Amino acid sequence: AQTVTQSQPEMSVQEAETVTLSCTYDTSESDYYLFWYKQPPSRQMILVIRQEAYKQQNATENRFSVNFQKAAKSFSLKISDSQLGDAAMYFCAPRGGEYGNKLVFGAGTILRVKS
Amino acid sequence: KAGVTQTPRYLIKTRGQQVTLSCSPISGHRSVSWYQQTPGQGLQFLFEYFSETQRNKGNFPGRFSGRQFSNSRSEMNVSTLELGDSALYLCASRTTGGTDTQYFGPGTRLTVL
Repeated sequence: AQTVTQSQPEMSVQEAETVTLSCTYDTSESDYYLFWYKQPPSRQMILVIRQEAYKQQNATENRFSVNFQKAAKSFSLKISDSQLGDAAMYFCAPRGGEYGNKLVFGAGTILRVKS
Repeated sequence: KAGVTQTPRYLIKTRGQQVTLSCSPISGHRSVSWYQQTPGQGLQFLFEYFSETQRNKGNFPGRFSGRQFSNSRSEMNVSTLELGDSALYLCASRTTGGTDTQYFGPGTRLTVL
């Protein structure tokens, strides 16, 4: 079965600092998509950023950026200038390729932001 | 545009009962997917509907079923509820083609007593 691994169950970051959340996945295909979602205490799943595997350029969205290493099957999320509102559970989820036409979620990383 | 809506937001049922959850997608989105979130199993895909047809199905027993209507609204039904069905049920909609990003509703919290 295709797996998605988020090796950090919990991370902490000081407000205004930078933090990186890691994610690895497992597919032998070349065409797929990768997503990061955040789930705050409200439980609403919110899209953070997406990456098309065929694009070499790393996606960025304001303070959020990814480090996409296709050969290593690694897709990490960097949050710059962390804010209190960034505190949430973050999920990595590939879609497409051997994962099929659905999101396959990792176990998640709880991010705590300290003031 | 209005986001994905789910009703009801909270539900309490007893074992053996059945339940129906509803999801209205973003206007123009024709695909609706359902996910179950539990502390033990995490987020798991249930099924996806597109143009009133089930396109994908996850590894769940036949007690879990769904359907989609011509206006793209979707319902999922769980029959003969078990304690382990207690979960947050999330619905997501997407357009088709391109990146196909899924946008999620607020979820329905189901508690089975």
